[in-house]
Amino acid sequence: QKEVEQDPGPLSVPEGAIVSLNCTYSNSAFQYFMWYRQYSRKGPELLMYTYSSGNKEDGRFTAQVDKSSKYISLFIRDSQPSDSTTYLCAMSQSGGSYIPTFGRGTSLIVHP
Amino acid sequence: GAVVSQHPSWVICKSGTSVKIECRSLDFQATTMFWYRQFPKQSLMLMATSNEGSKATYEQGVEKDKFLINHASLTLSTLTVTSAHPEDSSFYICSALQQGFFGQGTRLTVV
Repeated sequence: QKEVEQDPGPLSVPEGAIVSLNCTYSNSAFQYFMWYRQYSRKGPELLMYTYSSGNKEDGRFTAQVDKSSKYISLFIRDSQPSDSTTYLCAMSQSGGSYIPTFGRGTSLIVHP
Repeated sequence: GAVVSQHPSWVICKSGTSVKIECRSLDFQATTMFWYRQFPKQSLMLMATSNEGSKATYEQGVEKDKFLINHASLTLSTLTVTSAHPEDSSFYICSALQQGFFGQGTRLTVV
């Protein structure tokens, strides 16, 4: 079993829909949870960064962590075609000089 | 905001030649940088941790003599793929994870 599992998709939704992207993990020591957006042939761009359990909101994006279930989610409200790209989850055991473990990414397609 | 600049963004080289990839932190000092490799539709796999002024730390299975890392200053780390072969073709990305920032990535194609 991989440490971080993420469905590669693609996930196709109509414009305006609420998107739910998810990852599960097996290492209970993970405390820091990140979501990245990666466009084709580009490096990942940090979207959200969450410590421990709970929710964090930033504009149309909400990151949710449920440590008891080892499950994290990224919600995108009012999705736009420009949101179409690959979303990577990542997590680590500490926030200082951490080395995150990445999911394989979920490809999102928001069609007009 | 802080930026990590990676160069070149893509390179094609002949089998047997060496390729150097640069990673610069533009407005902050990075004592540690990380080098990843990513195959299509796969997650980022850490290759090595680059430490300023000391030897890099390589992940298991990564050949240190093939993937030479130099971190000579607080703003520059380089990855040199030596004697490249077609199986080295991949997307290489650097990161200064203290800040959570990644470079733009380098797509290497070895023909």
